Amino acid sequence: DADVTQTPRNRITKTGKRIMLECSQTKGHDRMYWYRQDPGLGLRLIYYSFDVKDINKGEISDGYSVSRQAQAKFSLSLESAIPNQTALYFCATSDPREGGETQYFGPGTRLLVL
Amino acid sequence: EDQVTQSPEALRLQEGESSSLNCSYTVSGLRGLFWYRQDPGKGPEFLFTLYSAGEEKEKERLKATLTKKESFLHITAPKPEDSATYLCAVNSGGYQKVTFGTGTKLQVIP
Repeated sequence: DADVTQTPRNRITKTGKRIMLECSQTKGHDRMYWYRQDPGLGLRLIYYSFDVKDINKGEISDGYSVSRQAQAKFSLSLESAIPNQTALYFCATSDPREGGETQYFGPGTRLLVL
Repeated sequence: EDQVTQSPEALRLQEGESSSLNCSYTVSGLRGLFWYRQDPGKGPEFLFTLYSAGEEKEKERLKATLTKKESFLHITAPKPEDSATYLCAVNSGGYQKVTFGTGTKLQVIP
């Protein structure tokens, strides 16, 4: 089984709808991240969480919110989806005790906002 | 501000034709440099972490090297299954933000 899983894998929604993307991990890592990926722009950090009680905004947090329900679960919400939020979304985890703190990614959610 | 620049943006090789991908970086203090492989529509797959200048790591046909300003991913005798986008990223410590490059899209032709 994959160490980092994301649901759903694909989602089509309409402008103004609220949606939630979910991430679960079995790596036992405290740190979790949400990124979006757009062609030509690379991966950009939306939110990150160092533990259940610690949540921080990344470089592009406007229009998004997160919830860290447990060490293993980190959800991303789009309160009112808009078309420019169409992108690939990735969850990642890391362990600060691991040299360099490598991030490990989930398979991604492809989101289309109409 | 940390910066990562990858070149070329795209590379097309014949099967067996060795080449190198470049990752140039500027950071305030390097904690780690990472290479990932990403297939279309999938999540980045971790390949290597390099920590200090002079370090090298190998995995099958791939070899990553690191200097104080750049890293190279050398691909020896590539096969079509090596076709993917290769991402470089750096961690400069502080609040643990990782900065990613935009990737090199590699296509290996049979």
